[in-house]
Amino acid sequence: GAGVSQSPRYKVTKRGQDVALRCDPISGHVSLYWYRQALGQGPEFLTYFNYEAQQDKSGLPNDRFSAERPEGSISTLTIQRTEQRDSAMYRCASSSLLQETQYFGPGTRLLVL
Amino acid sequence: AQSVAQPEDQVNVAEGNPLTVKCTYSVSGNPYLFWYVQYPNRGLQFLLKYITGDNLVKGSYGFEAEFNKSQTSFHLKKPSALVSDSALYFCAVRDGGGSQGNLIFGKGTKLSVKP
Repeated sequence: GAGVSQSPRYKVTKRGQDVALRCDPISGHVSLYWYRQALGQGPEFLTYFNYEAQQDKSGLPNDRFSAERPEGSISTLTIQRTEQRDSAMYRCASSSLLQETQYFGPGTRLLVL
Repeated sequence: AQSVAQPEDQVNVAEGNPLTVKCTYSVSGNPYLFWYVQYPNRGLQFLLKYITGDNLVKGSYGFEAEFNKSQTSFHLKKPSALVSDSALYFCAVRDGGGSQGNLIFGKGTKLSVKP
């Protein structure tokens, strides 16, 4: 079946612009996670959802970052007033509620100029 | 606090030789342990996991890992390396007894297999 998809795959934006990153999880997966991966590092947790409820947003770096999953399926990670330090790979993963394995999408590479 | 350490930035192995990629972890409860592999310009692919049961777990592409509770380790192994195994490998942990589902990742180890 189809895996996790993310769009866009690449995003170049100017400092100060807002960006929206989309994640479409595996069909039927109720848990959805967002991670950020800097070059040379492992992914770092940002936030996650069970169904449409945001369970934990402790990893979001500041209030410019927000995420939603209004219908319990597709999720959007929004970064407002982007800064150069926001440049990274943003990864989405999904899992079924009772399963421990998270399956990752291809990621969105964000470059803020 | 949960943490994962991958002490080697890079591991070099000759094709056909056994390989080991090291991982140690720290977690307050029962550890759920994972290995993922990342090929260039690709997403993270799940290799294997340890949740409970047999300490030796087998995964995709002939890889296996051994959970060692006393040494808090979960090293990735393969008896005979292939050039196509060259990639970036990440170890990850979560607290199985906790309510948080997020994974804590190591920094990654680059595996290079030479012909």
